[in-house]
Amino acid sequence: EVQLLESGGGLVQPGGALRLACAASGFTFSGYAMTWVRQAPGKGLHWVSSISGSGSSTYYAASVKGRFTISRDNSKNTLYLQLNGLTADDTAVYFCAKSVAVAGKRLDSWGQGTLVTVSS
Amino acid sequence: DIQMTQSPSSLSASVGDTVTITCRASQGITNSLAWFQQRPGKAPKSLIFAASILQSGVPSNFSGSGSGTDFTLTISSLQPEDFATYYCQQYSSYPITFGQGTRLEIK
Repeated sequence: EVQLLESGGGLVQPGGALRLACAASGFTFSGYAMTWVRQAPGKGLHWVSSISGSGSSTYYAASVKGRFTISRDNSKNTLYLQLNGLTADDTAVYFCAKSVAVAGKRLDSWGQGTLVTVSS
Repeated sequence: DIQMTQSPSSLSASVGDTVTITCRASQGITNSLAWFQQRPGKAPKSLIFAASILQSGVPSNFSGSGSGTDFTLTISSLQPEDFATYYCQQYSSYPITFGQGTRLEIK
């Protein structure tokens, strides 16, 4: 059974930084692209970033490019998202999601999410 | 970027009803379209991919159709657990984009 467990969320001041992690189990982690999707309180789903199975290819939404960095450690079956230069607009639940292929964009399994709150 | 427009944004229906949600892409995406269900406080759940293929374990009262730019999600014989928010998502190209969601409420 695929399991994705996010961690690292919390309260951070504007301009601050945070590192999210997503621990994966139940599948061959390196064989699948992974994605971060966020959801602001009461709002819809918004794609943030994706990374290929090997980690060699990364993709970012325009709103986070240059501030967020996606990475993965396939030896630890863990996906990361480094969040820098945070603003109130980054307040959201951040979900990690598994793709169906090594470089795929179709998402089939999601974690429960971790809440990031940016406030002074 | 490919914009995904869902309608309606909210919908009221009764148990046993059939409802249809539409999703329009700003450009052709062939059949690279998925539907997700999200209950309050929960993670999204995959329902349909490739516009019309049911994810394993999804009840057969869910169905999807469409190709190109216009897609529909139909839920027949609504059950109490079907009242949730539904999102379409295109996975034809980056950036991945979602529709704004359709909230399905009990009448």
